[in-house]
Amino acid sequence: IVLTQSPGTLSLSPGERATLSCRASQTVNGNYLAWYGHKPGQGPRLLIYGASTRATGIPDRISGSGSGTDFTLTISRVEPEDLAVYYCHQYGSSPPVTFGQGTRLEIQ
Amino acid sequence: EVRLVESGGGVVQPGGSLTLSCAASGFKFDHYAMHWFRQVPGRSLEWVSLITGDGGTTYNEDSLKGRFTISRDNSEKSLFLQMNTLRTEDTAFYFCAKDYCSTTNCYIDYWGQGTLVTVSS
Repeated sequence: IVLTQSPGTLSLSPGERATLSCRASQTVNGNYLAWYGHKPGQGPRLLIYGASTRATGIPDRISGSGSGTDFTLTISRVEPEDLAVYYCHQYGSSPPVTFGQGTRLEIQ
Repeated sequence: EVRLVESGGGVVQPGGSLTLSCAASGFKFDHYAMHWFRQVPGRSLEWVSLITGDGGTTYNEDSLKGRFTISRDNSEKSLFLQMNTLRTEDTAFYFCAKDYCSTTNCYIDYWGQGTLVTVSS
């Protein structure tokens, strides 16, 4: 399964809404779809699992939705700390883990 | 608090070998499968290898063609990646990560901060 993310780069001002898309080449079981944020110099951080469940400590302005082949990560009001690359991820069978190519979120 | 701390990265010549380590704490290490991932700067994350909690089963990315070997020492709460016959295209940040699977979900819930491997003459 190939995951295609769009846009490649998103440039927003603080307080604006970010909508990140992840499209799968085949139907994905949403239970195995997750989103990560990756800041420079750090390891990725789990944001959303099961397509829509927030991980521990993730603020409610970050949400996930979707099913089938189309999934979305939404940040309702971006903040400067949200500067990162965001990846969708599918836990499958072979290989067990695949990622989209990422969306870079820039804060103006 | 879950912590994963990688070490062992550095500069190595093409054809050389390197072993990465990952020290785990804050969870029952032998209860969980563990992964190695890598990321070439500017590119996406790439899965490298997986080992089950008891260490009895391993999986590797096909393109590595047996050059990389994952292992673990549950008594020391440590994960390893032995990398042989290194190539310039193996240059990347390498991350260890903890697996989580339940009856309903599977995902990677914790990552280390990464260690840089540079293959260059």
